Amino acid sequence: GESVGLHLPTLSVQEGDNSIINCAYSNSASDYFIWYKQESGKGPQFIIDIRSNMDKRQGQRVTVLLNKTVKHLSLQIAATQPGDSAVYFCAASTDKLIFGTGTRLQVFP
Amino acid sequence: DAGVTQSPTHLIKTRGQQVTLRCSPISGHKSVSWYQQVLGQGPQFIFQYYEKEERGRGNFPDRFSARQFPNYSSELNVNALLLGDSALYLCASSLTGGGYGYTFGSGTRLTVV
Repeated sequence: GESVGLHLPTLSVQEGDNSIINCAYSNSASDYFIWYKQESGKGPQFIIDIRSNMDKRQGQRVTVLLNKTVKHLSLQIAATQPGDSAVYFCAASTDKLIFGTGTRLQVFP
Repeated sequence: DAGVTQSPTHLIKTRGQQVTLRCSPISGHKSVSWYQQVLGQGPQFIFQYYEKEERGRGNFPDRFSARQFPNYSSELNVNALLLGDSALYLCASSLTGGGYGYTFGSGTRLTVV
């Protein structure tokens, strides 16, 4: 079955720097991927998504890159702010969501 | 507009007891899914319902059951609670399910002692 893994459990960045969070998936049949942000005490919040027929998608300060050859996703956050501090999950979507283990992003001044 | 609402927000139960968690989807959403999130891990799929019918079930024991009502709200029941059932239980609603357009609630934190 599908599995999703994140490369680093914790990422520490300085305010204003760019952040890159990576994720790998196993099932080539997955055609839709989503990045979620989860703050303490809250449920996952949608950030950005990408379909398998795309390589890149941009939102406000966020970019998702998809490399289907190596089954790898990344989330780039530009000009990271203290409010970006949270746990970030990638999820592969089939008929349900399959989540990775999450990367905690810590932003320091 | 109200988002996905879950109740209660926190709950403490004793081993062997039974628990019922509730979820109200976003207005107009006909699909509800349940996920279990153990501390330090990503959410794990438990159930999906669409139009009151079970659409999918994750790798959870029969102690876990759920249902969806005509107003599309849903309940998750867990019988014979174990310490390992302690987790954040998340409900997500979407228009039709099928892996797209999910919105999550804030969850119910269940502690089994």
